[in-house]
Amino acid sequence: EVQLVESGGGLVKPGGSLRLSCAASGFTFSNAWMSWVRQAPGKGLEWVGRIKTKSDGGTTDYAAPVKGRFIISRDDSKNTLYLEINSLKTEDTAVYFCSTDRLSGYDYFDCWGQGTLVTVSS
Amino acid sequence: SYELTQPPSVSVSPGLTARITCSGDALPKQYAYWYQQKPGQAPVLVIYKDSERPSGIPERFSGSSSGTTVTLTISGVQAEDEADYYCQSPDSSGTYRVFGGGTKLTVL
Repeated sequence: EVQLVESGGGLVKPGGSLRLSCAASGFTFSNAWMSWVRQAPGKGLEWVGRIKTKSDGGTTDYAAPVKGRFIISRDDSKNTLYLEINSLKTEDTAVYFCSTDRLSGYDYFDCWGQGTLVTVSS
Repeated sequence: SYELTQPPSVSVSPGLTARITCSGDALPKQYAYWYQQKPGQAPVLVIYKDSERPSGIPERFSGSSSGTTVTLTISGVQAEDEADYYCQSPDSSGTYRVFGGGTKLTVL
């Protein structure tokens, strides 16, 4: 069974940094593109960014609102995905979900974690 | 930047048919996907590749595509279908993933 478990969320002051983790199991992590999606309280889903597999170059792509502040990385030896968030703003307050991306060969999010809440407040 | 447009809300009585639309310029070129999200839960895929239904999703969920608009249809709506529904598709380059703003389905 595919399982994704996010961790690392919490309360952070504006301007601070945070690193979220997503532990994966039940599938060959190194063969999977992975994405982060966030959802602000009471708002819709917003794609944050994606990292490809090393065999596909390991490259990352980011949504415009987070480009330059967010960094996605992966450690295939630990089956873990990361999201480093820098220069946090109040508008970054959201539940952050990790998801598989294109696991089935098409451009959608096959499996999701339960999410981790990031609250940015002074 | 690329956008997908959904109506904010749709209301339907139990047993009737709900239709939720999603419009975007790249939809003739890219597949669309639909997710159902209930409060406090992660989204669940209900339609992929415009009209395919994943295993475990009830047959009352169907999808269709016509030009720049895709439609999620729920036939014989049940109370348990009350949720937020999001369309999702890549932009024309296939690089960026985009979600529609979401539609709140209310079962009257």
